Amino acid sequence: EAGVTQFPSHSVIEKGQTVTLRCDPISGHDNLYWYRRVMGKEIKFLLHFVKESKQDESGMPNNRFLAERTGGTYSTLKVQPAELEDSGVYFCASSQVISPTGELFFGEGSRLTVL
Amino acid sequence: AQSVAQPEDQVNVAEGNPLTVKCTYSVSGNPYLFWYVQYPNRGLQFLLKYITGDNLVKGSYGFEAEFNKSQTSFHLKKPSALVSDSALYFCAVRPYSSASKIIFGSGTRLSIRP
Repeated sequence: EAGVTQFPSHSVIEKGQTVTLRCDPISGHDNLYWYRRVMGKEIKFLLHFVKESKQDESGMPNNRFLAERTGGTYSTLKVQPAELEDSGVYFCASSQVISPTGELFFGEGSRLTVL
Repeated sequence: AQSVAQPEDQVNVAEGNPLTVKCTYSVSGNPYLFWYVQYPNRGLQFLLKYITGDNLVKGSYGFEAEFNKSQTSFHLKKPSALVSDSALYFCAVRPYSSASKIIFGSGTRLSIRP
């Protein structure tokens, strides 16, 4: 069974440009999460999809970030325009059920470098 | 504010020796506690969790963790370290009230020398 896959693994862009990150969750997982780790600090929650609906987007830093999950399958996270402080590793995770006791399955992350 | 603290950025241990990676948390209500591990060029992998019951929980690869409610700690332990245990370890808490968010610590890099 394929795990959570993310693309690209590394993206280097200049300040002001646009980047789109993609996440393919494990097949059958309705729940999809985005997290990010900036500057080697803690991993922070961005948002949570249940199928195509945003369950919780309280962690999205500002309106330069746009997440979509059309059709409830893969998800994209667009940063437009990118700023220096957006550099970090963006993790996607998925789970089959919503449960505070359940573990998440993470992808390898997409490293974003904004110059 | 809800938070997780991992006070050590790096822990160095000789192979065969016991290891401890520390974690303390601050969250309202009963927390659900997790440890995740990230090996080089890999995604985060679930290691173990505490939900309720016995304070000592066992997980993958011989790891265990002890929940201490009075000290609000959830330290990760292993009796005998292996070089292959070298990785980045994250402690996390999922508040009882939240089905969405996991609050992670900043991570501890564990380095096991032969």
